[in-house]
Amino acid sequence: GAVVSQHPSWVICKSGTSVKIECRSLDFQATTMFWYRQFPKQSLMLMATSNEGSKATYEQGVEKDKFLINHASLTLSTLTVTSAHPEDSSFYICSAPRTGDDTQYFGPGTRLTVL
Amino acid sequence: GEDVEQSLFLSVREGDSSVINCTYTDSSSTYLYWYKQEPGAGLQLLTYIFSNMDMKQDQRLTVLLNKKDKHLSLRIADTQTGDSAIYFCAERGRYGNKLVFGAGTILRVKS
Repeated sequence: GAVVSQHPSWVICKSGTSVKIECRSLDFQATTMFWYRQFPKQSLMLMATSNEGSKATYEQGVEKDKFLINHASLTLSTLTVTSAHPEDSSFYICSAPRTGDDTQYFGPGTRLTVL
Repeated sequence: GEDVEQSLFLSVREGDSSVINCTYTDSSSTYLYWYKQEPGAGLQLLTYIFSNMDMKQDQRLTVLLNKKDKHLSLRIADTQTGDSAIYFCAERGRYGNKLVFGAGTILRVKS
């Protein structure tokens, strides 16, 4: 099956710093990737759609200047949490649909803790 | 707007069958998915069904779809302790690849 990786698996940072999370499709190309966040014991909330070569599409209520998304290649999308605060602490998961496939493949997630 | 609802918790004994239910509101859903999430991990695709199908079976998993009632279920036969996890139902609309997830059902398997 298709594989999607994320890096790092977990990160702890100080309030006010920026954190970059990478999402890679390892064995297929993805023109679109999705970024979700998940709070403890809650469902996944779609944050934005990352589009290769163009601007990301953000869901209502998600600050685009706070969560910067760059989809520079067909296998890599990055999410940068700028000026992170404790309320940004969450589990961030990316996914990618494979062209011609009916399914989305999810990364293992990145746990962000902001102190 | 689209909405997906699931029961929050299910407890079964090892060896019994588990049935997790899901309802959705988007009548234009094309695909419906079941994902499994273990603690601290990402989502693992278990199975999916196309909206023009009624049933799909894959080893211990059986998916039933009642499109008229917009009801989806996942049956796990011979449930094992390793099946303990959170199960998410998700639907994909007619356009694009966006998925809408339910809140997840916690499955607890007692030995």
